Amino acid sequence: DQQVKQNSPSLSVQEGRISILNCDYTNSMFDYFLWYKKYPAEGPTFLISISSIKDKNEDGRFTVFLNKSAKHLSLHIVPSQPGDSAVYFCAAISNNAGNMLTFGGGTRLMVKP
Amino acid sequence: DTAVSQTPKYLVTQMGNDKSIKCEQNLGHDTMYWYKQDSKKFLKIMFSYNNKELIINETVPNRFSPKSPDKAHLNLHINSLELGDSAVYFCASSQGEGFGEQFFGPGTRLTVL
Repeated sequence: DQQVKQNSPSLSVQEGRISILNCDYTNSMFDYFLWYKKYPAEGPTFLISISSIKDKNEDGRFTVFLNKSAKHLSLHIVPSQPGDSAVYFCAAISNNAGNMLTFGGGTRLMVKP
Repeated sequence: DTAVSQTPKYLVTQMGNDKSIKCEQNLGHDTMYWYKQDSKKFLKIMFSYNNKELIINETVPNRFSPKSPDKAHLNLHINSLELGDSAVYFCASSQGEGFGEQFFGPGTRLTVL
């Protein structure tokens, strides 16, 4: 029973273009959403987050959009760079479950030079 | 000056053995976690622990137990190892009980033969 889903296992984008990674969730108790980036043989590293009271958060080349009614969020990377090639995990937290993250299955992003 | 470190990085052992994975964080955080990444690359929370409470994901077998000798350490003990325990285990830490960013260790790849 996956509460956080990333339906695209992989995405390939040309350098300089926009990368859009999508995430859907089913648990309406989720209050906070995060994106993590993971390189091979390393732990996930935090990228950007958004509270459920907002619909957009921007940090440099990274923007996260939240559509609560659709239970959908997306991560936009623009312009995409080869160094962005990694696995991106969407994660969610509900305030009645401590600070434990529920992760999606990840999307492998490949940015081609 | 690694923020969250884990030892060992690789662990190969026989079924039925008991093993431990160590985790240390030097960030001064008060909450630590263990996650398991299975063969399908799904990251799942196992435990959340601070000096007040231990929250256990109900799906975790009681062969797994976290032990915290002090605030900077949360070790994972696994008894009677099974083939299905083979996975990458990640330790993480965060500050506070709110929706804080979690910092992950590099992971420990456990292989049970």
